[in-house]
Amino acid sequence: GIQVEQSPPDLILQEGANSTLRCNFSDSVNNLQWFHQNPWGQLINLFYIPSGTKQNGRLSATTVATERYSLLYISSSQTTDSGVYFCAVEGSWQAGTALIFGKGTTLSVSS
Amino acid sequence: KAGVTQTPRYLIKTRGQQVTLSCSPISGHRSVSWYQQTPGQGLQFLFEYFSETQRNKGNFPGRFSGRQFSNSRSEMNVSTLELGDSALYLCASSGVTSGVYNEQFFGPGTRLTVL
Repeated sequence: GIQVEQSPPDLILQEGANSTLRCNFSDSVNNLQWFHQNPWGQLINLFYIPSGTKQNGRLSATTVATERYSLLYISSSQTTDSGVYFCAVEGSWQAGTALIFGKGTTLSVSS
Repeated sequence: KAGVTQTPRYLIKTRGQQVTLSCSPISGHRSVSWYQQTPGQGLQFLFEYFSETQRNKGNFPGRFSGRQFSNSRSEMNVSTLELGDSALYLCASSGVTSGVYNEQFFGPGTRLTVL
């Protein structure tokens, strides 16, 4: 099955710093989503981005489908950005929906 | 528009019991998927239902089952609970929103503890 690798596994930043999270996947995809898991466990949708570039405030994401990777950029980090960030994909061959998740990047932002 | 809702939010059971979790999708969404999150295995896909039919199934034993009703609400059942079933169970729904049919939206989860 499709493999999803996220890096780095952990990231510690000072408030105001910028960061880049990476997601590599092993096969072509028809869905790629970035999520932020809050302390209560809920997955918050950040981006639906199987290809191209999107921006939402201080966050932006780019997926280069031909090279099988996606990047999530966080600018001017705030303490509220802390948490676990997940990348999840669905293979192009996948019938129906079945997200395959990476292991996540744990981000800690201190003031 | 209301999001995905899951009940109950917390549950404590003992080994050998069975449990039923409920999920109500976003209005208009016909696909409901279930995921299990544990510290050791991370987030894993359990199964997906679409129009009352199981369309996809992950690699879990037969003790895990589900169903979907005509109003798209879904339930999952775990029989003969084991300690390793302690996990956060997340439900997601998807449907046509702004032309995107397969973007998944997650509920708050049910935290199951098996003693």
